[in-house]
Amino acid sequence: DTGVSQNPRHKITKRGQNVTFRCDPISEHNRLYWYRQTLGQGPEFLTYFQNEAQLEKSRLLSDRFSAERPKGSFSTLEIQRTEQGDSAMYLCASSLSSIKGYGYTFGSGTRLTVV
Amino acid sequence: DQQVKQNSPSLSVQEGRISILNCDYTNSMFDYFLWYKKYPAEGPTFLISISSIKDKNEDGRFTVFLNKSAKHLSLHIVPSQPGDSAVYFCAASYNNNDMRFGAGTRLTVKP
Repeated sequence: DTGVSQNPRHKITKRGQNVTFRCDPISEHNRLYWYRQTLGQGPEFLTYFQNEAQLEKSRLLSDRFSAERPKGSFSTLEIQRTEQGDSAMYLCASSLSSIKGYGYTFGSGTRLTVV
Repeated sequence: DQQVKQNSPSLSVQEGRISILNCDYTNSMFDYFLWYKKYPAEGPTFLISISSIKDKNEDGRFTVFLNKSAKHLSLHIVPSQPGDSAVYFCAASYNNNDMRFGAGTRLTVKP
């Protein structure tokens, strides 16, 4: 297993367009998380899944954002009608729910630039 | 709501000396605290954690101290090495749910 994989690494889009990011977690991990990071800030929680169930969503996740994990494996994060304020690094992480305190394994992120 | 705070955006130390990174939190329900390290163009990498029932955890050159009464934790790196130069994030979680991160401290270790 090569760790958590995110695609694409970079995305430049025009304001108003829709974008979709993909995350492939570590195969045996049942939890998958999406975070957003802007310059000078730490990762901000967006949402997480346990298997295919979306267990929590942050209030940061406006109705333009939707995340899915249809088969409990990979996940997609879609942003509709992008705005310049959506420009950020989008990080995906995975973990095992049965293990506390070990930490998540993060992917390298998808950097979104909205022009 | 900033539940985890790192008030020092940067820290510079000499190689071989001790690096001390600090973190404060507000939510007394947190039961695990973690430190992550991040290099440019990579995602954060888990470094070390501590349960809320302990006050110290050590792993090689890295030690994390927890002061629950002060809602404060710190990461000590001894001795510091140039390869330790990175951004360090403090994080906390409750009941193994989603994790909250501080804004990070950029550590520079000078040769």
